[in-house]
Order: sequence, then C-alpha cells, then structure tokens
Amino acid sequence: DTAVSQTPKYLVTQMGNDKSIKCEQNLGHDTMYWYKQDSKKFLKIMFSYNNKELIINETVPNRFSPKSPDKAHLNLHINSLELGDSAVYFCASSGASTEAFFGQGTRLTVV
Amino acid sequence: AQKVTQAQTEISVVEKEDVTLDCVYETRDTTYYLFWYKQPPSGELVFLIRRNSFDEQNEISGRYSWNFQKSTSSFNFTITASQVVDSAVYFCALKEETSGSRLTFGEGTQLTVNP
Repeated sequence: DTAVSQTPKYLVTQMGNDKSIKCEQNLGHDTMYWYKQDSKKFLKIMFSYNNKELIINETVPNRFSPKSPDKAHLNLHINSLELGDSAVYFCASSGASTEAFFGQGTRLTVV
Repeated sequence: AQKVTQAQTEISVVEKEDVTLDCVYETRDTTYYLFWYKQPPSGELVFLIRRNSFDEQNEISGRYSWNFQKSTSSFNFTITASQVVDSAVYFCALKEETSGSRLTFGEGTQLTVNP
C-alpha cells in the first residue's frame, strides 16, 4: 500500500495553462506539505497544512493555491503556468515530531 | 532561524571505500529533530533516520552509521564499504519544535560510488 501518493507523476504543459497535482496519504497523519525541488536539487517548503488548516505559506506566487478538503488530501493548483515553474513537486505527510514521508514526486515541465 | 549546511556538494568514491557525509545545523531551540533522506536516481525521497535533540547516542544500521554531536552541531552520516547502489543524493534535514511542522533541508550531497 502506498503511504503518500501523488498524481500525476509527469506533467508537461504549455505556458499559461492551469494545472493541478493531487496528493493523498493513508498514514493518518495530521500534517501535509508541498515541497518544490529545483534543478539544483534544492528542496524548499511551499505550504504546510495541519488538519486542513494552512500553517505554513512560504513566499510563493499567488498563482499557487493549495487546497485540503480533508486531512488525508492536499492538492496543489497552479494558474497561468510559467517556464520557471518547471520543477519536481513533492507532497509529504508527517505526524507530530516524526519524520515526513514523501510521495514519488511530480515532474512538471512547462514549455 | 533554522539552517542546515551540507558543505560537500559532490563526493565520488570507489566501491568498498568508507565515506562520511557531513551535516551542520543551526538552531536556537533546545528541542529539535534531525533527519537524513536518500534520493536515488529514480527520484523518490527515502527516509533513513530521525534523531531528537535529547538523544546523542550514535546509531548503526547495517553499513550505515550516524554520529550526532551537539557540541559541534553536527549530524554526520557514514557509509561503510560503499556499494554502487549507494549512489544517490543524500539530504540532511532539521525540524525545530517551535517552528511547527517546518522541515528544513540542506542542499544535499551527491554521492557517486564507482565500481
């Protein structure tokens, strides 16, 4: 059973389009995250939700909007995609004071 | 503010060599958690170990060992008798208790083990 699953794994789209990435965890964790990994492999937190409430909102463009319909799901919607949005996006979840478990990543390519 | 530094960007070794990956962290919290993750070429992030700030005991798991020293704010990772399958990017990460759920990563060390 996959603990943290995100879809799609690959996403190729044109500039200006709107796209969504979905994430689900079956670990019963209260906290979920979105991380962005750039071309240099640097991992930076974008958002964190705890029990459907937004608790971390890093400096990201307003075009990025997370949505958590319940504590097991955290989706990421991106409007008006730009070339610079190309990256690997990771969803993760964790319990209190525990390690984070990551999804397999979504490689987004904007052309 | 929390910060993690992995000064070694790339390391290349020959199979069976021992290799140590360095991790230095900064925090003002007395309670915090340190982690190591592995990212193989396939891209997924694999959790390796978690240590809390009150547990300085070193840990060994097979060929992997970790040395946590609060005096030098370091949490180094050693692979003994490295194998080609150890080739990956390794990330050290820090979570402060007061920062809520924020997990801050170092920049990663690319380890290449050559046959």
